[in-house]
Amino acid sequence: DAGVTQSPTHLIKTRGQHVTLRCSPISGHKSVSWYQQVLGQGPQFIFQYYEKEERGRGNFPDRFSARQFPNYSSELNVNALLLGDSALYLCASSLIGGVRENGYTFGSGTRLTVV
Amino acid sequence: AQKVTQAQTEISVVEKEDVTLDCVYETRDTTYYLFWYKQPPSGELVFLIRRNSFDEQNEISGRYSWNFQKSTSSFNFTITASQVVDSAVYFCALSEESSGYSTLTFGKGTMLLVSP
Repeated sequence: DAGVTQSPTHLIKTRGQHVTLRCSPISGHKSVSWYQQVLGQGPQFIFQYYEKEERGRGNFPDRFSARQFPNYSSELNVNALLLGDSALYLCASSLIGGVRENGYTFGSGTRLTVV
Repeated sequence: AQKVTQAQTEISVVEKEDVTLDCVYETRDTTYYLFWYKQPPSGELVFLIRRNSFDEQNEISGRYSWNFQKSTSSFNFTITASQVVDSAVYFCALSEESSGYSTLTFGKGTMLLVSP
């Protein structure tokens, strides 16, 4: 079985541009969560989606948005990129959402560099 | 607010040494879960263990062992007879439940370097 798939693996963008990151969860998993990991720090929660509905949002500005599609894949969008948005963006999938119920499986992430 | 502290930024050991990674957490929840993840250079977070707050039984799995002490809010992780392949960043994390969903609060991680 394929694990959590994220694309692209690496991306370089210029300040002010827009970026879309994509995630395909494990087959059968209905929940996707997004985390941002800045260099030298632990991952920070951005969004969680379950059954195409936003379940929760972390402390991130409105420049960050996401959505989940009927096939449970997800996109994370970031507008008006800042240098501080440079990070590894991790996607995690779970069966029914929530780490307590059944844990997360993480993808390898998309490394975004803003110049 | 929930908080996870990993005071050790980087640990260097020689192969076959034992090494313990420390984790201290803060939470007001009476029910919570604690996790350890391993992050190799590839970037993927690899799940190692999950413990709930009612299960203080310590566990050994091969070369790995975990020591959960609720009285001191600690959840430490030990690798016995370390190997070069153990080199990675290790994260301790605490589950947080808010408005019907749960997320993870991570520590800053401990980089473990195992040299031959």
